[in-house]
Amino acid sequence: DGGITQSPKYLFRKEGQNVTLSCEQNLNHDAMYWYRQDPGQGLRLIYYSQIVNDFQKGDIAEGYSVSREKKESFPLTVTSAQKNPTAFYLCASSIDRGGRSPLHFGNGTRLTVT
Amino acid sequence: RKEVEQDPGPFNVPEGATVAFNCTYSNSASQSFFWYRQDCRKEPKLLMSVYSSGNEDGRFTAQLNRASQYISLLIRDSKLSDSATYLCVVNIESNTGKLIFGQGTTLQVKP
Repeated sequence: DGGITQSPKYLFRKEGQNVTLSCEQNLNHDAMYWYRQDPGQGLRLIYYSQIVNDFQKGDIAEGYSVSREKKESFPLTVTSAQKNPTAFYLCASSIDRGGRSPLHFGNGTRLTVT
Repeated sequence: RKEVEQDPGPFNVPEGATVAFNCTYSNSASQSFFWYRQDCRKEPKLLMSVYSSGNEDGRFTAQLNRASQYISLLIRDSKLSDSATYLCVVNIESNTGKLIFGQGTTLQVKP
């Protein structure tokens, strides 16, 4: 089955540690996205990538980093510089680079930092 | 002004009611629009794309008003199972791939 896989589903870390969230897609989609969701809030764009080896900052990129070395993979690193990292992180992909097609989402990773 | 705005609600309606949500966007050049449904603690799922001429899928109708820069979602004959959060998504910078979500509107359908 084609889809987007995020792992792990739940992740716990101590404050001050960097942590990397995995996102893999086998849909052959060009564009990939990372969003963050806090309780009772909508999704906020962290980073997005329209093509391999290229990515752009979203609205809340500070404290995060990404790479896009392969078409199917778009890992997100939450660094210790991120002040409030505890959140629900959602990865998505789209067949169209220009945002003209819908997003397909993974199941998300719930990160808790204490 | 936020790039994409929704009334968070909640909208509490009885079964069988018709309910409508709006979503306003800031950039008049935006070209692509979508509605998603999100159930509690789950990922969003595509409900429907929004086309310029308006479109319908069963009990759901989506419309675009470019002059006033908003999209709408109409749900007819509400079911208990329609209870969820409805999120609008806008390609806020046309053709850049930057897709921005509204904060979502919560719908509760009561028996």
